[in-house]
Amino acid sequence: DGGITQSPKYLFRKEGQNVTLSCEQNLNHDAMYWYRQDPGQGLRLIYYSQIVNDFQKGDIAEGYSVSREKKESFPLTVTSAQKNPTAFYLCASSIEGQSVAFFGQGTRLTVV
Amino acid sequence: GESVGLHLPTLSVQEGDNSIINCAYSNSASDYFIWYKQESGKGPQFIIDIRSNMDKRQGQRVTVLLNKTVKHLSLQIAATQPGDSAVYFCAETDNAGKSTFGDGTTLTVKP
Repeated sequence: DGGITQSPKYLFRKEGQNVTLSCEQNLNHDAMYWYRQDPGQGLRLIYYSQIVNDFQKGDIAEGYSVSREKKESFPLTVTSAQKNPTAFYLCASSIEGQSVAFFGQGTRLTVV
Repeated sequence: GESVGLHLPTLSVQEGDNSIINCAYSNSASDYFIWYKQESGKGPQFIIDIRSNMDKRQGQRVTVLLNKTVKHLSLQIAATQPGDSAVYFCAETDNAGKSTFGDGTTLTVKP
């Protein structure tokens, strides 16, 4: 089935360690996005990419990095520079020029 | 900066009643608005959208109303069912697909 797959669903890391969250889509979408969601809040944009080998910072990019080497994949690295990394991370994709985003099921990251 | 917000963080309705979820936005230049539904532990799902040149759009059991004069958006759910219980977000979206989300309204449907 077509869709967006995020893995793992739950992730635990020690403070100071970098961690990479996976996002893969087989929808043939050009645009991909990473959002962060904290309890009781909406989604905040971390990074987005409209085409392979290109990406832009969102509203809260500090402490995060991404790559877009393949159309299907948009991994997010949460670095040790991110002061408060514990959150629910959502990956999304959309057709270029269209606004409706299709979301993955999320990765809940807990840093201890 | 621009923001999109919802009037009430929680809404409780009786099964079978109609639900109205409200959203206020601040960017009058926004061209496109989307309502998403997010169930616990899952990613948001598209419900319905509306362009800024429209006032109303209907889907199956859902209607979105847009009032550009007061920058207000609402989602109406007819005959609310227990499966409608979720968090509902409105999002202001540009033509690149980049969205700004509100904080969400948690809808609880009582049997």
